[in-house]
Amino acid sequence: QITLKESGPTLVKPTQTLTLTCTFSGFSLRTRGVGVGWIRQPPGKALEWLAIIYWDDDKRYGPVLKSRFTITKDTSKNQVVLTMTNMDPIDTASYYCAHINWRNSGADYWGQGTLVTVSS
Amino acid sequence: DIQMTQSPSTLSASVGVRVTITCRASQSISSWLAWYQQKPGKAPKLLIYKASSLESGVPSRFSGSGSGTEFTLTISSLQPDDFATYYCHQYNSYPWTFGQGTKVEIK
Repeated sequence: QITLKESGPTLVKPTQTLTLTCTFSGFSLRTRGVGVGWIRQPPGKALEWLAIIYWDDDKRYGPVLKSRFTITKDTSKNQVVLTMTNMDPIDTASYYCAHINWRNSGADYWGQGTLVTVSS
Repeated sequence: DIQMTQSPSTLSASVGVRVTITCRASQSISSWLAWYQQKPGKAPKLLIYKASSLESGVPSRFSGSGSGTEFTLTISSLQPDDFATYYCHQYNSYPWTFGQGTKVEIK
């Protein structure tokens, strides 16, 4: 059974760095074709891809300013970490991580999401 | 970047009717398209992948079709549990992108 869960601060101040952790079970990031991605959704708005990391450490970033994001994995801990620098109130959103089945079903399992508010 | 455009943005329908949502890609994405259902306060749920493959456990009233740049999601007989927002998503090329969503409301 594949499960994912996001964790991190619920409130950050403008200009601060946000670090979110996705802890997963039921699969390994050593398996060919597997990845973990991050997606966000501002309140009342559409979904937006942020970043993906694959079993072979290939990393892909979404249309949002790439220089602000870093995605890393710790396969021994079954965790993927997303770091976002210079947070702004427009970054207020629910942040989701998802299991990626590359060149097959795509983002097929999602975490419950975590709401991050950026405010002073 | 590939733009995904869904229509309509909002759809009002009654229980039991057939519903179709369209998604258009700004360039060809072959069949690398997924459809998700999202309810308020919940994570998106995968319904369809590779344009027409039904995810395990998803009711057969949901179906997907299309390839290239034009795709449809059809609900053959709308049920009370289907009132939600639906998103299309292309995973053909990076950066991956989503449509803006279609909200299905009760008429």
